[in-house]
Amino acid sequence: GDSVTQMEGPVTLSEEAFLTINCTYTATGYPSLFWYVQYPGEGLQLLLKATKADDKGSNKGFEATYRKETTSFHLEKGSVQVSDSAVYFCALSDRGSQGNLIFGKGTKLSVKP
Amino acid sequence: GAVVSQHPSWVICKSGTSVKIECRSLDFQATTMFWYRQFPKQSLMLMATSNEGSKATYEQGVEKDKFLINHASLTLSTLTVTSAHPEDSSFYICSASLPPLDTEAFFGQGTRLTVV
Repeated sequence: GDSVTQMEGPVTLSEEAFLTINCTYTATGYPSLFWYVQYPGEGLQLLLKATKADDKGSNKGFEATYRKETTSFHLEKGSVQVSDSAVYFCALSDRGSQGNLIFGKGTKLSVKP
Repeated sequence: GAVVSQHPSWVICKSGTSVKIECRSLDFQATTMFWYRQFPKQSLMLMATSNEGSKATYEQGVEKDKFLINHASLTLSTLTVTSAHPEDSSFYICSASLPPLDTEAFFGQGTRLTVV
């Protein structure tokens, strides 16, 4: 079945460092891909998404490109801030909506000042 | 954006008792809500899809008699964990799709259930 694999955390970075969180997927067909973020004590929020190959999703300085050839959707940010500390989830949906999502395990990011 | 509120945020209950978790869409009507479960260091796993006015659709391996889902109105879905046991201890989170296209889901803050 479909699955999402993302890098194990936790990831600890200094402020202004470059961030990469790897995400790869297996799916039949052409899924939509998402990154969600969960700040402490809050629900998951959609960070960015891409619905077809070569699409680049971007938001708040984060970006990820849908790479069909490598089945990847790596999350990147050029300069992280302390406020980016959160858990990041990569997810896919093969049913057209975000209702039934398949998630990765989540990667906890801690950014130190 | 749309807001989904989940209550309670955490609950501790005794083994054998039942616990009800509420999921509300505060500023929109959600015909479809979803319930997920997350074990420590594991992915969120979809448990069931809750449709307003009809029976929930459960994912394979999820006991429908143990995890009762009721979606009685367009803004409220409830998950009741019946006869809870320690192995039911987990993080439960709901989401609701924004109609009519259902192209984005909004999540509640989750409920940490501990059964002692």
